[in-house]
Amino acid sequence: AQTVTQSQPEMSVQEAETVTLSCTYDTSESDYYLFWYKQPPSRQMILVIRQEAYKQQNATENRFSVNFQKAAKSFSLKISDSQLGDAAMYFCAFGGATNKLIFGTGTLLAVQP
Amino acid sequence: DVKVTQSSRYLVKRTGEKVFLECVQDMDHENMFWYRQDPGLGLRLIYFSYDVKMKEKGDIPEGYSVSREKKERFSLILESASTNQTSMYLCASTSPQGWNTIYFGEGSWLTVV
Repeated sequence: AQTVTQSQPEMSVQEAETVTLSCTYDTSESDYYLFWYKQPPSRQMILVIRQEAYKQQNATENRFSVNFQKAAKSFSLKISDSQLGDAAMYFCAFGGATNKLIFGTGTLLAVQP
Repeated sequence: DVKVTQSSRYLVKRTGEKVFLECVQDMDHENMFWYRQDPGLGLRLIYFSYDVKMKEKGDIPEGYSVSREKKERFSLILESASTNQTSMYLCASTSPQGWNTIYFGEGSWLTVV
């Protein structure tokens, strides 16, 4: 069975600094997708970044980038030049061939002015 | 522009009542999911469906059932609501081709008293 683990319940970063959120996963599949979602207090789920496992190149979206280590089953999110609007809950998620979409427990990110 | 609609945003039910949470999507997606979100536990998969009348248990199916009679509608049923089912319930849908886009509903806040 697939599992997704986020070991940091809470993180804090100073505005304009860089922060890295950790995510590890477990699967026996070779072809799958990984996601980072942002959930502000409104509870809306906002896609931050998406990585296809067969692509070795790390995905980037503006200030957001990932460090995808397939052999280590690690998928961390780096947020550069942090902004106050980045404060939210961040979820790592796994989608594979079994049609299941599995989420981690989340990391609550605070951004200090 | 709403694509995934959860009909009930806030519900208060009594212990032992039968509760229906409805989710409708207008994108002809095959895959639909029901999650519950609790502090510190993230999003936990209750059930998912990959086609009409097809369903599979997620990680926490106990106390829940689902129905998918039409492709666009996926219902979560609490046969006999209990106080430990007080939670926020989130529906999602996606096409199975490459997990290209996942759409989420706005969530249903259920309180069982």
